[in-house]
Amino acid sequence: GAGVSQTPSNKVTEKGKYVELRCDPISGHTALYWYRQSLGQGPEFLIYFQGTGAADDSGLPNDRFFAVRPEGSVSTLKIQRTERGDSAVYLCASSLLAGETQYFGPGTRLLVL
Amino acid sequence: SQKIEQNSEALNIQEGKTATLTCNYTNYSPAYLQWYRQDPGRGPVFLLLIRENEKEKRKERLKVTFDTTLKQSLFHITASQPADSATYLCAPRNSGNTPLVFGKGTRLSVIA
Repeated sequence: GAGVSQTPSNKVTEKGKYVELRCDPISGHTALYWYRQSLGQGPEFLIYFQGTGAADDSGLPNDRFFAVRPEGSVSTLKIQRTERGDSAVYLCASSLLAGETQYFGPGTRLLVL
Repeated sequence: SQKIEQNSEALNIQEGKTATLTCNYTNYSPAYLQWYRQDPGRGPVFLLLIRENEKEKRKERLKVTFDTTLKQSLFHITASQPADSATYLCAPRNSGNTPLVFGKGTRLSVIA
């Protein structure tokens, strides 16, 4: 595709529910990153994939958060037992190779009621 | 712990003037530093990268400086235009294999 796409663009859920956020990176990009951005803050790193494997998941806040990239392209960020504090914009970025310029998607705005 | 400070949350300037945004970092030894632009409702967009051995980098009306002694980067927009209004984020990086860590950003408003 022309750029990184993320779906859904907005997600409203209730506390305790499970959500999945999807990221379609730029075709051919081997590295994929997930960030979380709260209002008035910069993006905060969550996890990065090189190919199918998670190369660095040090930013995941707890074990309710999990991400996969089974075929080395599309990635899904999964959040179990959502909490109100999980409300934020979840951004995905991809780069041709790790360490190169990252291209961001528009984000998914998650609201947990 | 590593810390990134961007000079102010918001900066208002008159059209045509030069905007100067500051990024200070502590407990970092970045190999390079990146600047991004973020518009409301959108993801950040990469603008410029400056390496530790470069003092200055330019791209059209943008200029970035990098002082590893002061642990500071300055981002200048000359002849500013209302279309330059956005939030600007800095991200020092120790190496290509470390995660990007962003400052909070500075929201620039250029007033016509």
